Order: sequence, then structure tokens, then C-alpha cells
Amino acid sequence: DGGITQSPKYLFRKEGQNVTLSCEQNLNHDAMYWYRQDPGQGLRLIYYSQIVNDFQKGDIAEGYSVSREKKESFPLTVTSAQKNPTAFYLCASSVLNTGELFFGEGSRLTVL
Amino acid sequence: GQQLNQSPQSMFIQEGEDVSMNCTSSSIFNTWLWYKQDPGEGPVLLIALYKAGELTSNGRLTAQFGITRKDSFLNISASIPSDVGIYFCAGPHGGSQGNLIFGKGTKLSVKP
Repeated sequence: DGGITQSPKYLFRKEGQNVTLSCEQNLNHDAMYWYRQDPGQGLRLIYYSQIVNDFQKGDIAEGYSVSREKKESFPLTVTSAQKNPTAFYLCASSVLNTGELFFGEGSRLTVL
Repeated sequence: GQQLNQSPQSMFIQEGEDVSMNCTSSSIFNTWLWYKQDPGEGPVLLIALYKAGELTSNGRLTAQFGITRKDSFLNISASIPSDVGIYFCAGPHGGSQGNLIFGKGTKLSVKP
């Protein structure tokens, strides 16, 4: 089945550790995105990529890094520089230049 | 910067009632999208609107693209328990279809 897969679903880490969240899609979409969601808040864009080996910062990119070495994969690293990393992270993909996003099931990161 | 204001923030209704929610912006959007998020899941696209004045239905859901291009409405008729969730409006940030901005959501609770 075509879809977008995030892993892990739940992750606990100690303060100061880098964490990498995986996102894979088999929808043949060119564009991929990472959003952060906090309770009672909308989704805020961290990074997005419209083509392999290229990506752009979103509204809250500080403390995060991404790579896009393959069309299907867009991993997100939450670095120790991110001041408040505990959140629900959502990966999405879409056909280029359309707002019709397909989301994964999310990864909930808790930093202890 | 651009912001989307959704109202109401939350709604508690009885099963069978109709629901109406809206989204406004201080700037013009050329696309409006409505997503629904179930608890612990990623959002799912409900309706996409591409033309001012457009009225589009998806089953019991109806959405309209406001004539001023600064607002959009979502109506749900004859609500059922599975309508529970958070409804988000979204539009392209700075006109870029690949970079969506989301409202903070309307949380819907349905009492059987």
C-alpha cells in the first residue's frame, strides 16, 4: 500500500542528546515536509524539500537539521541546540506545488 | 507575518447537530484547505478549495472559499461520534503552495 511511514512512534531521550526521526514515503512525491505540533497549537513548519539534495528552512528551523539523499526519505534530526524539543513531529509529502499533503502518523518525542 | 485565525477554538455538540467553523486571514489566500486530525494521528485532507466563491462538498462536509479570499468556512451536517477530532484550515504561506500555514484548529466533541 502507498503511504508515508514515520518511526519511531514514541521516543524518549535525555537532554543534550541528538535524536533522528525517520520518514519514508512510497507515493513517488517530490515534496516532503516536517511539522512540529504542540498542544493547542497548529502545525508549524520546520523544513521542507522539493527535490533531492535540496531543502529549505521553515518558520522554526533553529535546532533542527534534515537531509534529502533519496526521494523517498527525509529524516529529521533534533539537535541538542533545540531548546524545547518535546513535541509531536509530523512528516508529510505531496505532489510538487500543491497544498494537498499526505501526513504520516507522527512521532512523539519526550526529552527528559 | 501571515496568520490564520480559526473559530471557535472548541465545540461541544450533540450527535445529529450541524456544525459550522471558520477561518480568517488578514491577507489574501489563493488556496484554502481543510484537514482533520484524530487523536494521536496525522491530519487527513478533507477538502481543497482553489477558486474564490467555490463551494465544495465531501459527504456531510461542505466548505466554501470566501469571496474576499480572506476567509473560508467548513460545515458538517448531522454530526456523528466519529466526527470528533481537531479541524485545521491551511493555506499557502507567501503564495507558495509547497509551504502551508495552519490555523490553530477547532476541537470538536460530539456527545452521543
